[in-house]
Amino acid sequence: DTGVSQDPRHKITKRGQNVTFRCDPISEHNRLYWYRQTLGQGPEFLTYFQNEAQLEKSRLLSDRFSAERPKGSFSTLEIQRTEQGDSAMYLCASSGTRHEQFFGPGTRLTVL
Amino acid sequence: GNSVTQMEGPVTLSEEAFLTINCTYTATGYPSLFWYVQYPGEGLQLLLKAMKADDKGSNKGFEATYRKETTSFHLEKGSVQVSDSAVYFCALSAAQGGSEKLVFGKGTKLTVNP
Repeated sequence: DTGVSQDPRHKITKRGQNVTFRCDPISEHNRLYWYRQTLGQGPEFLTYFQNEAQLEKSRLLSDRFSAERPKGSFSTLEIQRTEQGDSAMYLCASSGTRHEQFFGPGTRLTVL
Repeated sequence: GNSVTQMEGPVTLSEEAFLTINCTYTATGYPSLFWYVQYPGEGLQLLLKAMKADDKGSNKGFEATYRKETTSFHLEKGSVQVSDSAVYFCALSAAQGGSEKLVFGKGTKLTVNP
């Protein structure tokens, strides 16, 4: 079963450091989403790709955040100069023609 | 903007009890509605969906009906099991410019005791 995978599953970093997360979507899915989930809250949308094009970004995605999806396959989310407020679970989801989103297990980021 | 409000938790029930988790939404246009479930230590899984008004989504004994007149999508199950213990999220998707991003409620934690 090749579902959505994310790497790493956990990341602990010090404030001010840069971090990068990777998402591998289901292979035939052309749509890819990033969400952020903080404790006790539902996931919040960050950004959306259709193939390699980044078509929508949330206001939550500050200048310190950047996402890419080269060649329309895997995606990376980078956070520069991390802050304690960036501590959260970062979720990736992909969807295909049926428009159902399938979620990965998430990357839990802790900024000390 | 679009938003989802769901019943505050936590909810604690005994096995075989009836479950209702309330969900209401605000949206422009005609959203699709979803219930996702997050079991302990696992990722979000789609539980059921409804794409238009009066549609009923069902899966694993859970049901929810898309009610446009009350802007609601309440989740129900007639007899819960211990294995249903999880966090349940109501969500909507309103395609805007191609993105079908999901807007989630805050989640409702359900604990079922034997």
